[in-house]
Formats: sequence, C-alpha cells, structure tokens
Amino acid sequence: DAMVIQNPRYQVTQFGKPVTLSCSQTLNHNVMYWYQQKSSQAPKLLFHYYDKDFNNEADTPDNFQSRRPNTSFCFLDIRSPGLGDAAMYLCATSRDRGQGYTFGSGTRLTVV
Amino acid sequence: QQQVKQSPQSLIVQKGGISIINCAYENTAFDYFPWYQQFPGKGPALLIAIRPDVSEKKEGRFTISFNKSAKQFSLHIMDSQPGDSATYFCAASKGSGNTGKLIFGQGTTLQVKP
Repeated sequence: DAMVIQNPRYQVTQFGKPVTLSCSQTLNHNVMYWYQQKSSQAPKLLFHYYDKDFNNEADTPDNFQSRRPNTSFCFLDIRSPGLGDAAMYLCATSRDRGQGYTFGSGTRLTVV
Repeated sequence: QQQVKQSPQSLIVQKGGISIINCAYENTAFDYFPWYQQFPGKGPALLIAIRPDVSEKKEGRFTISFNKSAKQFSLHIMDSQPGDSATYFCAASKGSGNTGKLIFGQGTTLQVKP
C-alpha cells in the first residue's frame, strides 16, 4: 500500500543533543511537509518542500531544519532540542500544494 | 485572515445521535475544506473534503455542509458510534499558487457514549 512512513515512532533525546526524525513516502508526491503537534493542539506547519524547493514558515525556530535528499525521503533535524520541543512530529505529503494530504503516524519526541 | 476557528472544543454525544462540529474562516481565497479524524497516537486521516462550488457533500454517515456567503462549514456525523470517538480537525487551504498550505482549526474532541 502506498503510504507515508515515519521512523522512529517514539524518540527520546537528551536536552541539547541533536536528533533526526525521518519520513519516507511511496506515493511519489511532490510535496512533503513537517508539522509539530503538541498535546490537545492543532498541527502547526514548520516547513515544506515542493520538490527540492524548501519553504520555511516565518515562525519556525532556527533550531529546526530539514533535508530532502530525494523524492521519497525527508528528514527533520532538531539541532539543540529543548524541553519545549517535546511534541508529536507529523510528516505529510501531497501531490500538489494545499490539497489531498496524507499523514504519517507521527514520531513522539520526548526531551529529557 | 489565515485563521480557521472551530467549535466546540469538546462534544459528548449518545450512541445513535448526531454530532455537529462547526468551522468558520476569513480568507475568501480558500478553495479546499477538508476534515481530518485523529485517534490518540496516530496521525490525522482525511475524512471528507469539499470545494466551495457545492453546498453539501455526503459520504456514508459523514456530511459536510458549506455556506460560502457566511464563510462557514460544518461536519455532521449521523448515527454516531463509539468508534467515532476521536479528535476532529477542520482545515482550509488555497490550492493554487505557492501558499497552498493547510490551515487547521483548533480541533474538537468527540466522545460518543454507548
């Protein structure tokens, strides 16, 4: 089945220790998104790639970066995680911007 | 102008009842209005979506009603079941151009009592 796969499902990292979350897709979608979702809140867009074109949200902290080495994979790098970065991180894809999103199951990040 | 406002924040419905969740938007450029269902520990899953050229869309027990002049849309869940208990998000986006990102509402936690 075509899908969006996020690894790992759960990630525990130490305060200040760099961490990378990964996302892969078999849908061959052009656009890949990273969202941050904190408890009982709506998903908040961090950035997205349209093909290789990177689009950062204005309020995304510099601590968050992303890489998309090819169509199938996208990575979220958190350079120095703080306690406030503990959240569910959701990857999503769409064939074109803004429509028909498919979400992965998310990675729950804990910062200790 | 980019906000989507969703209500209520939480909703309790008896099994077999109708669940109604409402959303309002400001940006008249939005042209795609999906609803997502999210279970605990899972990513959101697309439930149903509508475009502004129709006033209603029905898929099984789920119906979207859309009022373009009022800039409002709502989700109706008929014959609500305990398995429908989840968090529901409305969203909106402008599908063309370089700003076609989904803007989510705040979410509604639905509990359907047996």
